[in-house]
This record gives sequence, structure tokens and C-alpha cells, in this order.
Amino acid sequence: SAVISQKPSRDICQRGTSLTIQCQVDSQVTMMFWYRQQPGQSLTLIATANQGSEATYESGFVIDKFPISRPNLTFSTLTVSNMSPEDSSIYLCSVEGGINTEAFFGQGTRLTVV
Amino acid sequence: SQQGEEDPQALSIQEGENATMNCSYKTSINNLQWYRQNSGRGLVHLILIRSNEREKHSGRLRVTLDTSKKSSSLLITASRAADTASYFCATHYNAGNMLTFGGGTRLMVKP
Repeated sequence: SAVISQKPSRDICQRGTSLTIQCQVDSQVTMMFWYRQQPGQSLTLIATANQGSEATYESGFVIDKFPISRPNLTFSTLTVSNMSPEDSSIYLCSVEGGINTEAFFGQGTRLTVV
Repeated sequence: SQQGEEDPQALSIQEGENATMNCSYKTSINNLQWYRQNSGRGLVHLILIRSNEREKHSGRLRVTLDTSKKSSSLLITASRAADTASYFCATHYNAGNMLTFGGGTRLMVKP
């Protein structure tokens, strides 16, 4: 199993600013995943973060808007840049336990952009 | 993305009744998982069913998988008010490492 500490748990930000979300895992993991959950919606994968290489972004998400760092095997950050009200969502990080095992999630960051 | 579909989108039942949620997906999978989310917080894993399994139980939960129909169902028996939450199915596709989530079912159990 894995325990993920994600922070901040929530924030209210002004449009045009940036917010960096951190996830710390209690064990070393190869891949970490960042999801966005818009109000009342399901989770959409933003990117996969690998240690030692650039993150792999899903269609519709770009590095300039959502830069990701992965400095080691237990930590990752996601930055939401130049925010607008449309960025108001819950952002979640996740790791997987391995093939045919469950995924583990941080508690999420509830972001409101005003 | 190859997101699955869930139905119903919302379900309201009385305590003690059973709740059934359905999930459909599009391509071959390694496994299908069900998660629960309370009040927009982190997801909690409920149950994983592998592609070669047809049914799995965990406490009051029963999950079925029909790979020929590319569908799964989650049954919660004898529901409780504390079961009120959003429930998501997620598929682990053969070609990738990430999970792809269905649209979710918002369950409300009235005391």
C-alpha cells in the first residue's frame, strides 16, 4: 500500500496567479499520476510524472499550463499556471501499487479561482 | 480518452435497500476497479476485478464483470446512510498504466 500526503487541501486564488500542489508518497514509486476533477464531473488524467524524465501529458493538457516536477521517487508537484475561473477544480495525485492492484490517491486539492 | 460510461448518474434510495450501479467500457482491459469518493475528497478503493474473473464479493459489495458486453455492475446490499457518496468505475487498459474513469454515480441513501 501507499500513503500519499497532498497539500494544500484547498485554496482560493486570484486569476492570473499560479498555485503549486505537492504530493509526498511514503514509498518509492516509478510513476505518479495527476488528475483533474471539474465540479460534478469525473476524473480526467492530466499527465503521468516519471522520475528523471519529462511528464507525459494527455490530450488537452500542456506543459506551459500544468508544469510538473518529479525530483525523486517519492515526490511530485503540479503547478496550475496563469489561473482562470475555469481552472476551479479538485486536483488529485495518484500512484499505483502494481499490475492488477489498486491505485492510491491523495486527499485532493480543492482549487477555487476568483 | 477512453472513458467508460456509468449509469445511473444519480441514485436515491432508502436505508436498507440495495443500490446497483453499472459501468460500460470500450476496449480490452486488465482489470476494472470501483472507487468511492466522499464530498469531493480523495478516492477510496473498494474492489478490483480482473478480466478473467466474473464476480467478486467484499462485505456488502458485489461486483460482476461481463467482458463480452464490456460492462460491470456494483451492488451495495442493505445500504446505510454512510454509503452516501459518489462511486466511480475505473479501467486499467492493456495498453497503458493509468486508470480511466467512468462518469460516476452519485448515491444518496436516506435514513
